[in-house]
Amino acid sequence: QQQVKQSPQSLIVQKGGISIINCAYENTAFDYFPWYQQFPGKGPALLIAIRPDVSEKKEGRFTISFNKSAKQFSLHIMDSQPGDSATYFCAATHTGGFKTIFGAGTRLFVKA
Amino acid sequence: DAGVTQSPTHLIKTRGQQVTLRCSPKSGHDTVSWYQQALGQGPQFIFQYYEEEERQRGNFPDRFSGHQFPNYSSELNVNALLLGDSALYLCASSLGPTDTQYFGPGTRLTVL
Repeated sequence: QQQVKQSPQSLIVQKGGISIINCAYENTAFDYFPWYQQFPGKGPALLIAIRPDVSEKKEGRFTISFNKSAKQFSLHIMDSQPGDSATYFCAATHTGGFKTIFGAGTRLFVKA
Repeated sequence: DAGVTQSPTHLIKTRGQQVTLRCSPKSGHDTVSWYQQALGQGPQFIFQYYEEEERQRGNFPDRFSGHQFPNYSSELNVNALLLGDSALYLCASSLGPTDTQYFGPGTRLTVL
């Protein structure tokens, strides 16, 4: 019930294309869903986050879509660039529980 | 504004030894969480410190212990090291236990 399942494991996208990463959760107590970007040798950096009271949040080229009834959420990267090549983690937490549960990660490679 | 800092960057130990990792939170943050990230996996929550107390703990044995100092910095101690403890250890800080977490660059621990 504490798991967050992330797919795909890896993704190759052409420059200018759309990258889509999906996550699913089971624990309905989760109420905060951040996405992190991690480059090799670095710690994860917060990219964008959403709460379940909204269905979509957009920041620049990054959009989170949230489906509360299906307990699924996804990250869309529009106009993907080679500099976006990194590992992306979805995560979930609930404000009463303190800890954050991470997905297994998606390795994105954007071809120039 | 300094972000989260961790030391050392890399560390090599042998089985059975003990190790101490250090973390300084982002300026203004009072909460520190520790995560273990094995190669190719998402970060796994170890524990969180707030007001110098361990607030919540993940599924890690008692060999993993920590401390938070009055200046909010924190230490992670691991006793009786095992080969399986080899990982990137990440520290994340936040303003309060339930706010957005910001990660440091991590300490790469190798156990031989």
